[in-house]
Amino acid sequence: GAGVSQTPSNKVTEKGKYVELRCDPISGHTALYWYRQSLGQGPEFLIYFQGTGAADDSGLPNDRFFAVRPEGSVSTLKIQRTERGDSAVYLCASSRYREETQYFGPGTRLLVL
Amino acid sequence: AQTVTQSQPEMSVQEAETVTLSCTYDTSESDYYLFWYKQPPSRQMILVIRQEAYKQQNATENRFSVNFQKAAKSFSLKISDSQLGDAAMYFCAYGGGGGADGLTFGKGTHLIIQP
Repeated sequence: GAGVSQTPSNKVTEKGKYVELRCDPISGHTALYWYRQSLGQGPEFLIYFQGTGAADDSGLPNDRFFAVRPEGSVSTLKIQRTERGDSAVYLCASSRYREETQYFGPGTRLLVL
Repeated sequence: AQTVTQSQPEMSVQEAETVTLSCTYDTSESDYYLFWYKQPPSRQMILVIRQEAYKQQNATENRFSVNFQKAAKSFSLKISDSQLGDAAMYFCAYGGGGGADGLTFGKGTHLIIQP
């Protein structure tokens, strides 16, 4: 596709439930990033993939958060036992290589009730 | 760890005027890159401009230009001939040198364009 796409656009869930957020990067981009943006804040880095492997997951807040990119393209961010504090916009970005400019998707707004 | 500070939560400018958004950062690295991204209410982060730290020349993109002062660790964005479509949140971001592989963002500046 022409840009980074993310689904769903919005997700409402209940505390304790499991959610999956999907990111489809720009074709040919080897680097993929997930960020979390809380209300009134700038995005915060969560995890970086180079190809299929998670090269840097230092931003994941705890072990309830996990992400995969099995074929080096689409990535899924998985959140277990969601908490109200997980409510935020989750942004995905991709770039050709690690230090190239990152292009962002429209984000998924997650609301945990 | 790298930090990025945007000291102006909100700025307002008249249409067709010029406005400057401030950004400072802290790093011990010498090789890095800096960005300004624009985020309208649609949530999509849109690249405005990129600056490589090794380049002395300030980056420009049409009406957008930066004033990059490496020694002072300052990276301001100047928007000339402001247009209504420029209204958005603007985020300064640091990447490349040291720390995590992702970008480090400031808290953003809300830019209002007065017609």
